[in-house]
Amino acid sequence: AQSVTQPDIHITVSEGASLELRCNYSYGATPYLFWYVQSPGQGLQLLLKYFSGDTLVQGIKGFEAEFKRSQSSFNLRKPSVHWSDAAEYFCAVAPRSNDYKLSFGAGTTVTVRA
Amino acid sequence: ETGVTQSPTHLIKTRGQQVTLRCSSQSGHNTVSWYQQALGQGPQFIFQYYREEENGRGNFPPRFSGLQFPNYSSELNVNALELDDSALYLCASSESSGGARAGELFFGEGSRLTVL
Repeated sequence: AQSVTQPDIHITVSEGASLELRCNYSYGATPYLFWYVQSPGQGLQLLLKYFSGDTLVQGIKGFEAEFKRSQSSFNLRKPSVHWSDAAEYFCAVAPRSNDYKLSFGAGTTVTVRA
Repeated sequence: ETGVTQSPTHLIKTRGQQVTLRCSSQSGHNTVSWYQQALGQGPQFIFQYYREEENGRGNFPPRFSGLQFPNYSSELNVNALELDDSALYLCASSESSGGARAGELFFGEGSRLTVL
């Protein structure tokens, strides 16, 4: 069965520090991979996606993610967080055969302290 | 450019009732997906509509049904409400189903349904 795991439920980071959010997936073949962010009072917003090619993907708001096939992981990183990065982050996958059907992880809540 | 809008934002129903949630797609988008997000969980795919036809469905019972209209707006209907239906219901629109834009969903803020 396919699944998406985000091991960290909650992460607290200081403003200006680096951030890494973990995502592991279980799939028969390499799926399409996504990171979405959900801020309070706002809808989910796509940060970045991986389809193929370069395994380091750049996204919006200074985020990047690295696909590692051997580890079935797609971790999200940001070198220096801003207070506005406080939000809930979701990793999602979609099978290449049904690429509209996203499966989301349970999310990681990020708190940024001054 | 108008984003995805959903109504109502909050509603309370009792078990056994029926509910209709509405969604207006982002301008230029012809595909609408609905997701259910229970408290503390990630969104779960309910179904997708493309050109007024259901294009795919997740693991939800038939009492969850939908419609898409010629202007690409959409409705989600849930019959015989159960307590476990309490959740945030998210609508997402996209340019088309599949291709290079696959997975690029634009979400509304959701409709929070509470079933008592």
